[in-house]
Amino acid sequence: GQQVMQIPQYQHVQEGEDFTTYCNSSTTLSNIQWYKQRPGGHPVFLIQLVKSGEVKKQKRLTFQFGEAKKNSSLHITATQTTDVGTYFCAGLNSGTYKYIFGTGTRLKVLA
Amino acid sequence: GAGVSQTPSNKVTEKGKYVELRCDPISGHTALYWYRQSLGQGPEFLIYFQGTGAADDSGLPNDRFFAVRPEGSVSTLKIQRTERGDSAVYLCASSLMGTGAPEAFFGQGTRLTVV
Repeated sequence: GQQVMQIPQYQHVQEGEDFTTYCNSSTTLSNIQWYKQRPGGHPVFLIQLVKSGEVKKQKRLTFQFGEAKKNSSLHITATQTTDVGTYFCAGLNSGTYKYIFGTGTRLKVLA
Repeated sequence: GAGVSQTPSNKVTEKGKYVELRCDPISGHTALYWYRQSLGQGPEFLIYFQGTGAADDSGLPNDRFFAVRPEGSVSTLKIQRTERGDSAVYLCASSLMGTGAPEAFFGQGTRLTVV
């Protein structure tokens, strides 16, 4: 079945450093979403990417969808302690409504 | 309501018992999802409702799991003969369909512990 993998699994950074997580799907996606989950919390929607090669920015966050629509990345510039949490991508196959979540990347920011 | 509401927030049950988990979606959201999240894992899809009907229940692990949404709003996930392996956080999410795979809003989840 479809698999969505994320790397790295964990990342510790010093406050102010940049951070990137990568998402790879075994199948071509119609769109991809990104979520953030704080420790003890529930996933919170960040963004959705639909077009091949699409790049979207939200303040210090930059999201990219690959040309082949099988991979995506989330880059955070100058991390802050408020960025702590686990970042999940969730991919959708065309013709379905079943989002498959990635394995997640847990980010820890050291002050 | 303002967001997706799930009750109870925590449920401890004995192995073999029956449990029901409730989800109140955001008013007007026609799509409703159930996911299960184990510690350190991403949410695992269980079932998707569009209105009252289960459009995709391919994620339900076995016939002990069943979910309903009789009036197209509140949904109940039912687990029979619970097993210790069913222990997890059960997440519900709703979304507003008709806008092309829109974002899903998650509830806080129900933490189920089977002892």
